[in-house]
Amino acid sequence: GAVVSQHPSRVICKSGTSVKIECRSLDFQATTMFWYRQFPKQSLMLMATSNEGSKATYEQGVEKDKFLINHASLTLSTLTVTSAHPEDSSFYICSARPSGGATINEQFFGPGTRLTVL
Amino acid sequence: GENVEQHPSTLSVQEGDSAVIKCTYSDSASNYFPWYKQELGKGPQLIIDIRSNVGEKKDQRIAVTLNKTAKHFSLHITETQPEDSAVYFCAAPGGSYIPTFGRGTSLIVHP
Repeated sequence: GAVVSQHPSRVICKSGTSVKIECRSLDFQATTMFWYRQFPKQSLMLMATSNEGSKATYEQGVEKDKFLINHASLTLSTLTVTSAHPEDSSFYICSARPSGGATINEQFFGPGTRLTVL
Repeated sequence: GENVEQHPSTLSVQEGDSAVIKCTYSDSASNYFPWYKQELGKGPQLIIDIRSNVGEKKDQRIAVTLNKTAKHFSLHITETQPEDSAVYFCAAPGGSYIPTFGRGTSLIVHP
């Protein structure tokens, strides 16, 4: 149980294009999902908190118009990197918090998406 | 907000030895302390967690201890195996329920 998928696992795109990453909770519902960015040999950096049916909450320094988040259902959140540039190249990871879980803090991570912008 | 410090950043052990990774946190409101294992190119995987109403939890070769007074918690891995080699992260939620992660510990188990 508690499986989270991400698609695609890897994506290479040209500078200026937009890329959409999907995060799905496969066997549970998730009112809240989180989007992280991770640089090589570094910790996870929280980008935004996504709540089903409402606007995402972005962390300081994260451009909401560049990183569009949509959480339209209890099992799906999407992150769209708009007008991607080489500096957006990174490992993007989502996590999902089960609705009504044993603890409000529990979360399960997806396998990550490696984005490379040429 | 919550501040989490994790030590050491790198830990190298021989197969069969024990490994201990420690984290300290600042927000006394934190009540849930997970540990994640991340293998290269993959997402973090929850390996064990502990809530503030207990001091220790064990799952086979992995254990976590919590000292709420001192605000620190530790991951203990016994009888380490090469497949335990990975980066381990601790986390604490603080009062906001949004987790703050430690910087990570790269564990290397030499055969």
